Amino acid sequence: GAGVSQTPSNKVTEKGKYVELRCDPISGHTALYWYRQSLGQGPEFLIYFQGTGAADDSGLPNDRFFAVRPEGSVSTLKIQRTERGDSAVYLCASSLLQGDGYTFGSGTRLTVV
Amino acid sequence: DAKTTQPNSMESNEEEPVHLPCNHSTISGTDYIHWYRQLPSQGPEYVIHGLTSNVNNRMASLAIAEDRKSSTLILHRATLRDAAVYYCIQDSSNTGKLIFGQGTTLQVKP
Repeated sequence: GAGVSQTPSNKVTEKGKYVELRCDPISGHTALYWYRQSLGQGPEFLIYFQGTGAADDSGLPNDRFFAVRPEGSVSTLKIQRTERGDSAVYLCASSLLQGDGYTFGSGTRLTVV
Repeated sequence: DAKTTQPNSMESNEEEPVHLPCNHSTISGTDYIHWYRQLPSQGPEYVIHGLTSNVNNRMASLAIAEDRKSSTLILHRATLRDAAVYYCIQDSSNTGKLIFGQGTTLQVKP
């Protein structure tokens, strides 16, 4: 597609539930990144994929967070046992080459009630 | 983690140039300098990036100090649509992650 697509755009879930957030990067972009942005803050790095493998997952806050990219294109961020503190906008970005300019999606706004 | 320092906010008049400063005193030789901007309810938008030489594109210019410890994003003629939060980032391309700070909120007055 023309840009990075993230679905859903909004997600409201109850505390303790499991959620999946999807990112469809620009076709051909091998690098894919997930970020989380809390209100009034800059985006915070979560995980980076180069192809199918997670090259750096040092930003994942704990083991409730997991991300996959099985075929090297679409990625899914999975959050288990959601907590109210997980409420944020989850952003996905992709780039053709590591270190190149990154294209961000509009994000998924997750609200845990 | 690599961290940049920017003013919290700046103001500009419409159709005047804007110079947004950034300090990145811990930058290493292979770190690129990236600038992104973000409008409310949108993801960050790429503006420009560079390594050592000054860079120009259709959106802006990037002036990088000779010692690379600071840079300036230049918007040649600010428009109301340029009002956004501007982030200056050191891209440690060896690690593949961008470390965002608080950014500079730019207000453009008509």
